[in-house]
Amino acid sequence: GIQVEQSPPDLILQEGANSTLRCNFSDSVNNLQWFHQNPWGQLINLFYIPSGTKQNGRLSATTVATERYSLLYISSSQTTDSGVYFCAVGSGGGSEKLVFGKGTKLTVNP
Amino acid sequence: KAGVTQTPRYLIKTRGQQVTLSCSPISGHRSVSWYQQTPGQGLQFLFEYFSETQRNKGNFPGRFSGRQFSNSRSEMNVSTLELGDSALYLCASNRQGGMETQYFGPGTRLLVL
Repeated sequence: GIQVEQSPPDLILQEGANSTLRCNFSDSVNNLQWFHQNPWGQLINLFYIPSGTKQNGRLSATTVATERYSLLYISSSQTTDSGVYFCAVGSGGGSEKLVFGKGTKLTVNP
Repeated sequence: KAGVTQTPRYLIKTRGQQVTLSCSPISGHRSVSWYQQTPGQGLQFLFEYFSETQRNKGNFPGRFSGRQFSNSRSEMNVSTLELGDSALYLCASNRQGGMETQYFGPGTRLLVL
């Protein structure tokens, strides 16, 4: 099945810094989503982005499907950005099961 | 619009027991998926239901089962619990399944003793 690798596994930043999280996948996909898991365990959808670029406030994401990677950019990080960021992909037609990467744990210090 | 809700939020069971978890999707959403999250295996797909039919299933033993009701609410059941079933169980919904944003609930934390 499809493999998803995220890097780096851990990232520690000072408040105000920028960061880039990467997601590589092993096969073509038609579904790619980025999630933020808060300390209580809830997964919050950030982007549905199987291709192209999207922006939402301080966050933006780019997926280059032909090269099988996606990037999540966080600018001017805040302590509330801390948590684990997951990339999840799907490659089937019709009903989709998401295959998740292992995540990037982000810690933003004040 | 209310989000995805899951009950109970926390649960403690002993080995050999069975457990039923419930998920209510966002109003108008007909697809419900279940995922298991453990420290060792990460997030893994369990199954997906749409219009009361299981459309897709992950690689879990038959002790894991689910169903969906006509109002799109879903339940999952784990029989003969094992210690390794201790996990965060997450439910997600969207309108049709397939290629669209998944909205996750807060999860149910299951501890098997």
